[in-house]
Amino acid sequence: AQSVTQLDSQVPVFEEAPVELRCNYSSSVSVYLFWYVQYPNQGLQLLLKYLSGSTLVESINGFEAEFNKSQTSFHLRKPSVHISDTAEYFCAVIGGGSNYKLTFGKGTLLTVNP
Amino acid sequence: SAVISQKPSRDICQRGTSLTIQCQVDSQVTMMFWYRQQPGQSLTLIATANQGSEATYESGFVIDKFPISRPNLTFSTLTVSNMSPEDSSIYLCSVRVSGEVWNEQFFGPGTRLTVL
Repeated sequence: AQSVTQLDSQVPVFEEAPVELRCNYSSSVSVYLFWYVQYPNQGLQLLLKYLSGSTLVESINGFEAEFNKSQTSFHLRKPSVHISDTAEYFCAVIGGGSNYKLTFGKGTLLTVNP
Repeated sequence: SAVISQKPSRDICQRGTSLTIQCQVDSQVTMMFWYRQQPGQSLTLIATANQGSEATYESGFVIDKFPISRPNLTFSTLTVSNMSPEDSSIYLCSVRVSGEVWNEQFFGPGTRLTVL
């Protein structure tokens, strides 16, 4: 069975500071990895995904994540955050054995303070 | 893309009653999912509902407690039956156009349920 661990439940940072949200997964087969974001009072939105190819993937709003197979990680990073990045971030995985079932981590609440 | 609406957006219910949540999608989709998001917890998949077949339930969830209907390619309902306070949660409808993993999975805004 696959599982996802998000090591930090809350991450407070100041505006323009860098941030890293950590995600580790466990799966016995090849995986597909996702980051979803949930802004206050809004639904979940896909932020970025790794399916194959380059291990570094980017979103349109400056976030990036790197798939590290040896460390079974898919950490999310942004070099300089904005107030508008305040949201809950969920890491998720689809394992090769269940080609459509997303398994989510518990989420990390990113709070960007002025 | 797919735009999903859910009704109701929130409700407060009494113990022992049932609530039916509706999910409407603005386009035809193959796969629909129902998730539960309990306070401080991750999203947990309840069941997968594909049109024309019985819903497939995950471990820990049963049809008698969470009956699901999928009458067509744009609509589904989830009923939470004989509710208890432990059922207080956000219930999310989610869709994928087709089963291939590279198709994005979209989520509805959720239904916030409080059981007294």
